[in-house]
Amino acid sequence: EPEVTQTPSHQVTQMGQEVILRCVPISNHLYFYWYRQILGQKVEFLVSFYNNEISEKSEIFDDQFSVERPDGSNFTLKIRSTKLEDSAMYFCASSGGQALYEQYFGPGTRLTVT
Amino acid sequence: GQQLNQSPQSMFIQEGEDVSMNCTSSSIFNTWLWYKQDPGEGPVLLIALYKAGELTSNGRLTAQFGITRKDSFLNISASIPSDVGIYFCAGREGGADGLTFGKGTHLIIQP
Repeated sequence: EPEVTQTPSHQVTQMGQEVILRCVPISNHLYFYWYRQILGQKVEFLVSFYNNEISEKSEIFDDQFSVERPDGSNFTLKIRSTKLEDSAMYFCASSGGQALYEQYFGPGTRLTVT
Repeated sequence: GQQLNQSPQSMFIQEGEDVSMNCTSSSIFNTWLWYKQDPGEGPVLLIALYKAGELTSNGRLTAQFGITRKDSFLNISASIPSDVGIYFCAGREGGADGLTFGKGTHLIIQP
């Protein structure tokens, strides 16, 4: 069964460094999303991406964040200058086809900012 | 932003018991989704609901989209040990892409 994959599974970085989190969405999906989950809390929407542009973003998704689809398979989230409070699980999701609003999540990347 | 109230926060049940959890919102949602999350993993989609009043089953799981479009419930019948985990409701407002998640119901099954 097709699934969303994410790399790396765990990223440790120092405050102020740039990080890029990578995702490979389900191949026939056209909508891509990033969410984050701070430890012990609910999942929060960051951004959605369709047709090579951002279609919606939340208040969390400020100028420090950017997304890109560099090729036909990858979808990335970049955090320009990480802060301690960026430490969280970051989930990529995708949707498409007949079940347009059914979002399928990847296993996540645990980002630890020290 | 939009808030979802999910209850109960946690449930301690015996294996074989039925489980019920629900979510309510102050605003209308066009789509309700239920996910299960195991520790250290991503949410796994269980059931998707699209119409007010819709009742959908997936094995031992049954979910309903409330008539007012402001609530949804999930029932699990005859619970088994692998049902342990955190269950999240998620709603999508009309015109929005992103999902709003509830805070989760932590299901613990006692042997």
